[in-house]
Amino acid sequence: GAVVSQHPSRVICKSGTSVKIECRSLDFQATTMFWYRQFPKQSLMLMATSNEGSKATYEQGVEKDKFLINHASLTLSTLTVTSAHPEDSSFYICSARRGESQPQHFGDGTRLSIL
Amino acid sequence: QKEVEQDPGPLSVPEGAIVSLNCTYSNSAFQYFMWYRQYSRKGPELLMYTYSSGNKEDGRFTAQVDKSSKYISLFIRDSQPSDSATYLCGQWGTYKYIFGTGTRLKVLA
Repeated sequence: GAVVSQHPSRVICKSGTSVKIECRSLDFQATTMFWYRQFPKQSLMLMATSNEGSKATYEQGVEKDKFLINHASLTLSTLTVTSAHPEDSSFYICSARRGESQPQHFGDGTRLSIL
Repeated sequence: QKEVEQDPGPLSVPEGAIVSLNCTYSNSAFQYFMWYRQYSRKGPELLMYTYSSGNKEDGRFTAQVDKSSKYISLFIRDSQPSDSATYLCGQWGTYKYIFGTGTRLKVLA
């Protein structure tokens, strides 16, 4: 199998707080990890792509200083939402793939609520 | 025009029915095609993927790609209430993955 674990699954915090979300590939080494945002009843919106050991590539319109991504190893990527505000409330999902000709495997998502 | 299009549904069928989910795509350069199932408040789960055209079967699920008409299809036989979910189709190449917006399926007991 190809299991991706995402933690935490749910976060509720006050405005201005920074929140870190972890994404781990448990049984494979991920050359690339992806971070998505999903609004209710809408499709996945790619935020950024990260390769181990290099800087993340952000999609147009995504603030890299707001959404810090670190891909420190072949099994771990983190997304930090800095100084979160209510408009950052959303469902964030990570995914990982073994290689270029491989499909993505998704984590179970993190529901972030900023009060 | 979206790169991958699918009807959002919802599609409601009785238990035991054969379900047909369809997508159209516009980018002929991408050779891999995929189907994911997403339950509410969960991440997408990979169901099947295929390379180029043809059919692929896995249990009750069959994926089909028709490159001449740029059609991606997923068939579910003997549908169950547990199949109720949103189904995402898509395609990918070396540097890009494109997902459809998803079709919500409801299988009624």
